[in-house]
Formats: sequence, C-alpha cells, structure tokens
Amino acid sequence: NAGVTQTPKFRVLKTGQSMTLLCAQDMNHEYMYWYRQDPGMGLRLIHYSVGEGTTAKGEVPDGYNVSRLKKQNFLLGLESAAPSQTSVYFCASSYPTADQPQHFGDGTRLSIL
Amino acid sequence: GDSVTQMEGPVTLSEEAFLTINCTYTATGYPSLFWYVQYPGEGLQLLLKATKADDKGSNKGFEATYRKETTSFHLEKGSVQVSDSAVYFCALSGSQGAQKLVFGQGTRLTINP
Repeated sequence: NAGVTQTPKFRVLKTGQSMTLLCAQDMNHEYMYWYRQDPGMGLRLIHYSVGEGTTAKGEVPDGYNVSRLKKQNFLLGLESAAPSQTSVYFCASSYPTADQPQHFGDGTRLSIL
Repeated sequence: GDSVTQMEGPVTLSEEAFLTINCTYTATGYPSLFWYVQYPGEGLQLLLKATKADDKGSNKGFEATYRKETTSFHLEKGSVQVSDSAVYFCALSGSQGAQKLVFGQGTRLTINP
C-alpha cells in the first residue's frame, strides 16, 4: 500500500522561483489537505479540497495556490517563493467524516534561499 | 475558534518510566480527538482516537480518555521504550467542517536506555 505519496522529498529554491509539489493518494479519499510544519507551531492548514475540482483556503493560504483536477492528486504551487515559505510541507487525505483520521505523506522539505 | 494546548516539551524519560503528555482543548460541539505520532524524517501517523465523551482510545500500550468535563485528552503509557522516542501531536476535528484538524504544537519525547 502506497497510501499518500509526496514528490519531491527535498528541494532548494531561490527567492522568486516557482515550483509545484505533488501529492497522490491511492485510498479513494474524498478529502485532501496541504499543511506546513514549522518549529514550535505544530501543523497549519494551507489549503484543502473536499472533492475533485474543488479547493478552499485554510489557515495560512497566502502565497500558495492549489489544484485538484483528479480525485487522487492534489497539487500545491508556489508562484514566487519567499524565504518565509521555508518549511516542511505535508499532504494528507481522509474520508469525509469527522471521526475518520487523516493519512499523511512523508513530507517535502523545502528551503528558500 | 477551536484550539488545542499541549504540554510543552521536550520530555526526557528513562526506559520503563511512566509517561503522561497533557492535552486540553477548546471547541464547540462534540469534536473527535486524536493523538498522532511523528518519527524522525517521517509523516504523522495516527496513534489513537476517541470520538465521544468517556471513550478510551488505545494502541501500542498508549491510552487516552476523552474527558468532556475537563476538556482533556491526556496521553499515557505505563512503561516507555526507546522506540517511543518521537514527536506527539494532539488534534481535534469536527466543529469546523471538512474534517479539518486543529493541532497542538507537538511534544518531543526522548527515551534514554
């Protein structure tokens, strides 16, 4: 079982560059999420999706865009990277009920110079 | 809004010691409560959950009881092992829709042999 797969695992960017992080899940989950993890702050929700073709803003959406063209994939884009976006990014997916847990990928470590 | 407060770390214990990591929450309605564990270099994994008051979640020797009267979900283990060294996150979901998780800041646990 692959579960939730994130690519790439590591990336270094220069300020102003753009990139896309890919998340793929094979559990047929309706909901998908992007989080960032920073020291001492837990995980904060960036954007999420409740189904193919839908996206919504989370707690810290500024500077990011997302797309969910296929049910199994959820893309996170940085149009113009800034040093404040240096973080570890996690994708997760879940069934659409509150008692079901989210399943997480192994993360993408992103450094912006 | 909803929030989760965890015991600050880091926590260092000797092998076979008793572990408690405190977690309290603020939420409207009746959220579901989760403990996730993150091992070095990996994503978050569900450790246990409880979905209604007085429920006890348990897994791998860890336990936590959903206490609505004290709005708490403390994590306990009777005898920790070196392999339990990780970061532990308390989280809740249910009152904000789309099964969005609200995380505590995490508690780093180190077990010495």
